[in-house]
Amino acid sequence: DVKVTQSSRYLVKRTGEKVFLECVQDMDHENMFWYRQDPGLGLRLIYFSYDVKMKEKGDIPEGYSVSREKKERFSLILESASTNQTSMYLCASSLFATEDLRAVYEQYFGPGTRLTVT
Amino acid sequence: GQQLNQSPQSMFIQEGEDVSMNCTSSSIFNTWLWYKQEPGEGPVLLIALYKAGELTSNGRLTAQFGITRKDSFLNISASIPSDVGIYFCAGIGSNYQLIWGAGTKLIIKP
Repeated sequence: DVKVTQSSRYLVKRTGEKVFLECVQDMDHENMFWYRQDPGLGLRLIYFSYDVKMKEKGDIPEGYSVSREKKERFSLILESASTNQTSMYLCASSLFATEDLRAVYEQYFGPGTRLTVT
Repeated sequence: GQQLNQSPQSMFIQEGEDVSMNCTSSSIFNTWLWYKQEPGEGPVLLIALYKAGELTSNGRLTAQFGITRKDSFLNISASIPSDVGIYFCAGIGSNYQLIWGAGTKLIIKP
């Protein structure tokens, strides 16, 4: 059974703090993604990674950075948290290109981390 | 960039009713996906569509890939309480990234 876990379900941080959100997948997936979810805006891609130590900016990378030192782990870092980063953060993973390209597009999500910055 | 318009934004229905929601775009997509997110959880893939005109079912759920490749529909028949949640459409854009709709929140009136 596929599994994506996120380090915290709920997190409260103060403005200016450095925040780490951790994501681990046990499916040996090459691709990993970080999204934020806000009401009425759907899911917006922050960063993704298609291999260890590789990263690509998504649609809203400002204020965030990522780290992928191991295949199974993808971290999202808020260098200096601000109140407009209060949101639900979702991690996902998927396979890279294989014989069946369909596997690439089917992302598996973690339960999310609801971050509040005060 | 490519965008998806998902409607309706929310639906209040009676148990047993059929539900219909859709996503449209001005751009062509090669793949459409439908996800469901239950409260407190991440989205889970329900149905994937890979060919224009394709009609695929998953239990009481049926989704269609529009023939123009610019839209997709999801229907739920005979809704039950566990159908509540947010339904997202997603399309695979020209750069092979997922483009997400804003979601349709389904609420079932007791």
